[in-house]
Amino acid sequence: EPEVTQTPSHQVTQMGQEVILRCVPISNHLYFYWYRQILGQKVEFLVSFYNNEISEKSEIFDDQFSVERPDGSNFTLKIRSTKLEDSAMYFCASTRRGSTDTQYFGPGTRLTVL
Amino acid sequence: GDSVTQMEGPVTLSEEAFLTINCTYTATGYPSLFWYVQYPGEGLQLLLKATKADDKGSNKGFEATYRKETTSFHLEKGSVQVSDSAVYFCALSEGPNSGGSNYKLTFGKGTLLTVNP
Repeated sequence: EPEVTQTPSHQVTQMGQEVILRCVPISNHLYFYWYRQILGQKVEFLVSFYNNEISEKSEIFDDQFSVERPDGSNFTLKIRSTKLEDSAMYFCASTRRGSTDTQYFGPGTRLTVL
Repeated sequence: GDSVTQMEGPVTLSEEAFLTINCTYTATGYPSLFWYVQYPGEGLQLLLKATKADDKGSNKGFEATYRKETTSFHLEKGSVQVSDSAVYFCALSEGPNSGGSNYKLTFGKGTLLTVNP
């Protein structure tokens, strides 16, 4: 069964450094999402992406964040200058039609900012 | 804005016990409702969903009924197994036709379920 993959599984970085989290969505999916979960808190929506552009972003997704689909398979989340409060589990998800279709999630990347 | 409130955990049960995890929501329109499950070390997996009022979603012995009058979507299972130990997330999404946008999911905080043999 096709699945969403994410790399790395765990990333440790120093405050102020740039990080790139990578996701490979399911191949025939067209809508892509990033969510994050700070330890002990809710899973929160960050951004949705369709047709090579952001379709919606949350208040969390400020100028320090960017997303890109650099080729036909990868979908990346970049944080330009990490802060301590960016420490969280980041989940990528994809869906084929962007309707009530199931969103398929990756296993997550745990980001730790020191 | 949309929100989901679910029962705080952790919940600890013995095998074959009855499970209920409560979930209520607030939404501007007519959302679709979901239960996702996260097994240790894995990503979120859809457990079941319901897209309109009075629909019942079911999977792997779990059930939840979309109750518009009480804005609830409680998860139930008649007889839990050790393998059901996981974190359960209630979520909703609204599409553009219901005032939402791009079907982003709004999640509850998650409920950790531990089932002991």
